[in-house]
Amino acid sequence: ETGVTQSPTHLIKTRGQQVTLRCSSQSGHNTVSWYQQALGQGPQFIFQYYREEENGRGNFPPRFSGLQFPNYSSELNVNALELDDSALYLCASSGTREISSYNEQFFGPGTRLTVL
Amino acid sequence: GQSLEQPSEVTAVEGAIVQINCTYQTSGFYGLSWYQQHDGGAPTFLSYNALDGLEETGRFSSFLSRSDSYGYLLLQELQMKDSASYFCAVRDRDDYKLSFGAGTTVTVRA
Repeated sequence: ETGVTQSPTHLIKTRGQQVTLRCSSQSGHNTVSWYQQALGQGPQFIFQYYREEENGRGNFPPRFSGLQFPNYSSELNVNALELDDSALYLCASSGTREISSYNEQFFGPGTRLTVL
Repeated sequence: GQSLEQPSEVTAVEGAIVQINCTYQTSGFYGLSWYQQHDGGAPTFLSYNALDGLEETGRFSSFLSRSDSYGYLLLQELQMKDSASYFCAVRDRDDYKLSFGAGTTVTVRA
């Protein structure tokens, strides 16, 4: 069973640029959630995708957008980068829409984004 | 919305017992989860409580009291490898997101 993978591991961008982060969900999982984790804080929910459709969104502006593909992999896109976007971006997958599955999420190692 | 409170830091010696408390406020509630995150690593799932009571998994136990909006994670027989950040997280009935607390850094000393 392959775990959740994310790419790239690290990324440095400048203000105003755009970035795309990628996530491959765990084998058999059809739901992907994205989180932003600032240093010393807990993960903050960005949005979730289920079967290629957005299935819930946190308090993030529209310049944070995403996609999910037929193989359930996903992308997070951030436009017009700001300094405060510097964080660890985590992708998490879960198996089905069952309640217990939503509460057990399998996280990838994250992408560390630095905005200069 | 949701808010969760947990202590920021706990230090203990090897072999000791540590309890990390979590209080939450949420408009709806499905259950309380706990995650462990080592420095620079991915959060890993530890436990989930949907009903009141104690759930035991090896050296770790988790407790929930829905009436008190309170739960805790109990770490027993502490080992050096347990040094990590521990997060409580809730899912709101009306939403699909997991809301995490700010985390408790546990430091285990020899």
